[in-house]
Amino acid sequence: TQLLEQSPQFLSIQEGENLTVYCNSSSVFSSLQWYRQEPGEGPVLLVTVVTGGEVKKLKRLTFQFGDARKDSSLHITAAQPGDTGLYLCAGDSSGTASKLTFGTGTRLQVTL
Amino acid sequence: NAGVTQTPKFRVLKTGQSMTLLCAQDMNHEYMYWYRQDPGMGLRLIHYSVGEGTTAKGEVPDGYNVSRLKKQNFLLGLESAAPSQTSVYFCASSYPDSGRWSTDTQYFGPGTRLTVL
Repeated sequence: TQLLEQSPQFLSIQEGENLTVYCNSSSVFSSLQWYRQEPGEGPVLLVTVVTGGEVKKLKRLTFQFGDARKDSSLHITAAQPGDTGLYLCAGDSSGTASKLTFGTGTRLQVTL
Repeated sequence: NAGVTQTPKFRVLKTGQSMTLLCAQDMNHEYMYWYRQDPGMGLRLIHYSVGEGTTAKGEVPDGYNVSRLKKQNFLLGLESAAPSQTSVYFCASSYPDSGRWSTDTQYFGPGTRLTVL
């Protein structure tokens, strides 16, 4: 079973601070996705990265896929209370839905 | 469009009881999935379907059965519930994109919180 470890597990910061969440594995993935989940709701896709070394930006969020396609990071600049939620990475290794492996999650709380 | 809906939202069962969770999507998606989410473990795939009448096992299929009799519905059944099946269950659906459907956007329902006593 492939594992995607996320760090940190919990993060509590103040509005305006920067943060980085990491998603690491010993396995190679053909693509990697990041989701955000709010309490009582299902995850919502933020981004998909497919090329080693790829960097994608979504407003204040920057996503990077490692050169070796085994890891990824999510950087948030000037965090806002609306960024609060559970962030999940998910990797695909074989091009089939059965191989979409989710990470352990990082719970972020941004306070005023 | 309602997107992906799940019924019920909450349920409490006694050990040994059975139940069925219903997932419905109105986006004409081909693929549907059932996950369970437990603290510190992310989401784990239980079963999935790539089309009407087809199902396949995911990472943690034991103790669950599924059926996809209609394209828009995906049912998850627990024949004899166990405390280990206490979890939040999510259904998702997606549509293949350019033949690389593993990178497609999965749309999730709001979840069903199940407690087995």
